[in-house]
Amino acid sequence: QKEVEQNSGPLSVPEGAIASLNCTYSDRGSQSFFWYRQYSGKSPELIMFIYSNGDKEDGRFTAQLNKASQYVSLLIRDSQPSDSATYLCAVRRAGKSTFGDGTTLTVKP
Amino acid sequence: KAGVTQTPRYLIKTRGQQVTLSCSPISGHRSVSWYQQTPGQGLQFLFEYFSETQRNKGNFPGRFSGRQFSNSRSEMNVSTLELGDSALYLCASSLYQTGDVTEAFFGQGTRLTVV
Repeated sequence: QKEVEQNSGPLSVPEGAIASLNCTYSDRGSQSFFWYRQYSGKSPELIMFIYSNGDKEDGRFTAQLNKASQYVSLLIRDSQPSDSATYLCAVRRAGKSTFGDGTTLTVKP
Repeated sequence: KAGVTQTPRYLIKTRGQQVTLSCSPISGHRSVSWYQQTPGQGLQFLFEYFSETQRNKGNFPGRFSGRQFSNSRSEMNVSTLELGDSALYLCASSLYQTGDVTEAFFGQGTRLTVV
């Protein structure tokens, strides 16, 4: 079992729809959780981080964390073609970040 | 505020050679992490440095090593290069190491090709 697992994708949604990206992790001691967006040929770009159970909203993005279920998700509202990218979930504990393999999202105009 | 700077951006080396990659973190950031990214393995953690000390290490052979200088700049060295070392090497900097609620910002990476 991988330490951080993401829905395999690819995920395709129409423009304006809500995209839902999921991530589960195995280390219960994980303390902070990050979502990165990576465009093809580019380096990962931080979108959001969350460390408390519940929801955290930033513009069109909402991160949700449930530590009991070891689950973190990212919702993208009003998806735009420019949101088409690979989304990486990262889990951090004691200075070490572990990344999932990523979910590729395509937003179709 | 300048971002994370990695040099060189692209590198081609021959099997058996060694290579040194450089990373300058965001000003004021003291933690530098290194990652290897390949299509098959995704982003793999190499090691993390904080205040010139290696604090964490991933599951890579001893051919992969690094160091951090007093100005927080970091270098990563790979000796006896193998074809499988071809990858994008990413450096990320963050403000703290002991606090886990920290954001890590990535540099543009060094694309290493071993032929």
